[in-house]
Amino acid sequence: LAKTTQPISMDSYEGQEVNITCSHNNIATNDYITWYQQFPSQGPRFIIQGYKTKVTNEVASLFIPADRKSSTLSLPRVSLSDTAVYYCLVGEGGNQGGKLIFGQGTELSVKP
Amino acid sequence: DAGVTQSPTHLIKTRGQHVTLRCSPISGHKSVSWYQQVLGQGPQFIFQYYEKEERGRGNFPDRFSARQFPNYSSELNVNALLLGDSALYLCASSWQGAPIYGYTFGSGTRLTVV
Repeated sequence: LAKTTQPISMDSYEGQEVNITCSHNNIATNDYITWYQQFPSQGPRFIIQGYKTKVTNEVASLFIPADRKSSTLSLPRVSLSDTAVYYCLVGEGGNQGGKLIFGQGTELSVKP
Repeated sequence: DAGVTQSPTHLIKTRGQHVTLRCSPISGHKSVSWYQQVLGQGPQFIFQYYEKEERGRGNFPDRFSARQFPNYSSELNVNALLLGDSALYLCASSWQGAPIYGYTFGSGTRLTVV
């Protein structure tokens, strides 16, 4: 699975839009890009997944440029409850053994 | 519907002891994976089981073992505990063998080895 690089931490204020960028220079043709959110003492929670261009759901948007070597998770109008660690993962969307490789993640701190 | 349930939620063990952690997947999910998360780091893959067969194993010593039962629940066993085994142990389930997007995690078992 491709290695990912994300900022270790980010700070934001309530109501702002937060963009977290992930680099995955060695992404393979069959790889999807997936983001998970984790609160302290809880398991990671799936946020969004994409392959190319833009994906949007009720929680976030995922922007993927044409070369797919990076991706940006966008959280609109964050609140205090969005304070969490966000992980970017890349890997095959199909049958690839079930092994998720987590990096260190980005610790997002939202302040009032 | 119940999510992925893990037991116990917290556990304190002494070095050298053995521990068994349990996981019940979401109803209908046939795949269970185990992860270890040390404080300040991302989860690290330990095992995956699908239809009661081991599908993947991470870079962990043989002291770590697991199995999946006919009802798809799973146990993670760790022998000869070391201080470094202190971590949050997470179980994740999915309805098929290996989707990157379809995993649901439990809240984990916090293991402290003293």
